[in-house]
Amino acid sequence: AQKVTQAQTEISVVEKEDVTLDCVYETRDTTYYLFWYKQPPSGELVFLIRRNSFDEQNEISGRYSWNFQKSTSSFNFTITASQVVDSAVYFCALSEARDDKIIFGKGTRLHILP
Amino acid sequence: EPEVTQTPSHQVTQMGQEVILRCVPISNHLYFYWYRQILGQKVEFLVSFYNNEISEKSEIFDDQFSVERPDGSNFTLKIRSTKLEDSAMYFCASRGPTIGPQHFGDGTRLSIL
Repeated sequence: AQKVTQAQTEISVVEKEDVTLDCVYETRDTTYYLFWYKQPPSGELVFLIRRNSFDEQNEISGRYSWNFQKSTSSFNFTITASQVVDSAVYFCALSEARDDKIIFGKGTRLHILP
Repeated sequence: EPEVTQTPSHQVTQMGQEVILRCVPISNHLYFYWYRQILGQKVEFLVSFYNNEISEKSEIFDDQFSVERPDGSNFTLKIRSTKLEDSAMYFCASRGPTIGPQHFGDGTRLSIL
C-alpha cells in the first residue's frame, strides 16, 4: 500500500538557519513519483518539485534542495538560510504510475522566527 | 502560465443543502481530480475522472458526492446533502495527456453551518 510519513509535525528555527524536513514513503511499485508542496497560510498548494523513481540525483533550486534515497525510501527537503517567508506547512507526497492519485503525508508545519 | 481556476473561493452552506463546487481545468488537460483537506489535516484524494467517467474514487467519495464535466470546460463536484463534516478545503487538479504533474487550483473553502 502507498504511504507517506512525515514524522516532524512542527519545526521552529531562527531565520537564516538551515532546516531539513524528513519524508519516508512506502510503495510496492517500481515506478512512482515523489512530490513536495508548500501550503502558506493563504491555503493554496504550491508545487515545489516532482521526482520519478528512476532519478536519484539530488536537486538544488536556489535555497531549496532535495535528497532522494531509494535505499532508505526517503525524500528529504532542505531549506538553506531560511527566511520568514518560508513559514508554511510542507507536504511530501507520492503517486504510483499505475493509478496516478497523489497520496499526501500529514505535513510539517515550519515556523521561521525573525 | 495556464492555471486551474476554482470558484467560489469560499462557500457557506446550511447543513442538508446541496452544493456545487466549480473548477475550470487547464484547457488541453484530459485528467481531472478532486481532493479534500479538512482543516489542519492532510490533503486526501477523492476522485479522478477521465474520458467522461470516474477512473478511481476513494472511500470518502460516497453516494452523496458526484462529479461532472457538463460542457467541456468546467469540472464540478456536487455534494447532495451536506453534513457538518463536509466542511473542508476542496482542491481541483488537472493534468495533460502525457504523464506530467497534476496542476492544482487554489481551492474552495466549504463551510457547512
